[in-house]
Amino acid sequence: QVTLRESGPALVKPTQTLTLTCTFSGFSLSTSGMCVSWIRQPPGKALEWLARIDWDDDKYYSTSLKTRLSISKDTSKNQVVLTMTNMDPVDTATYYCARTHSVGTIDYWGQGTLVTVSS
Amino acid sequence: DIQMTQSPSTLSASVRDRVTITCRASQSISTWLAWYQQKPGKAPKLLIYKASSLQSGVPSRFSGSGSGTEFTLTISSLQPDDFASYYCQQYNSFPWTFGQGTKVEIK
Repeated sequence: QVTLRESGPALVKPTQTLTLTCTFSGFSLSTSGMCVSWIRQPPGKALEWLARIDWDDDKYYSTSLKTRLSISKDTSKNQVVLTMTNMDPVDTATYYCARTHSVGTIDYWGQGTLVTVSS
Repeated sequence: DIQMTQSPSTLSASVRDRVTITCRASQSISTWLAWYQQKPGKAPKLLIYKASSLQSGVPSRFSGSGSGTEFTLTISSLQPDDFASYYCQQYNSFPWTFGQGTKVEIK
């Protein structure tokens, strides 16, 4: 059974760095072809793909956010961490992590965590 | 970046209606397209991948078609559980991008 769960602060101040952790089970990021993506969704708006990390540690980022994002993994802990620097109120969103296959399919999602950016 | 444009943004339909949602890519993405269903307060659910492949466990009333730049998601007979928002997503090239969504409402 594949599960993913996002954790991190619900509230961050402008200019701060956000650190989110995705803890998963039911698959391993050491398996060839396995990946984890982060996707976000501002309230009432569309989904936005942010980043992906692969079993072989390849990393991919959103063009508009790549200077602010960093993704990493701890295979032994079954965790993926996303950091986003210089947070702004427009970054207020629900952040999802999701199991992804290298061919591109995003098939299992976490429940999401709402992050509000406000002073 | 590849832009994905969905139409319509909102669709009003009745139970048992046939519903079609269109997704257009700003450049060819072959068949590297997925469709997701999202209900309020919930994570998206994968319905279709590679433009026309039905994800395991998804009812057969859902189907996808298209290639290149134009794609459709069809619900053959709308059921009460299908009132939700639908998103297309391309995974032909990074960065991956989503459409702006289509909300299917009760008429």
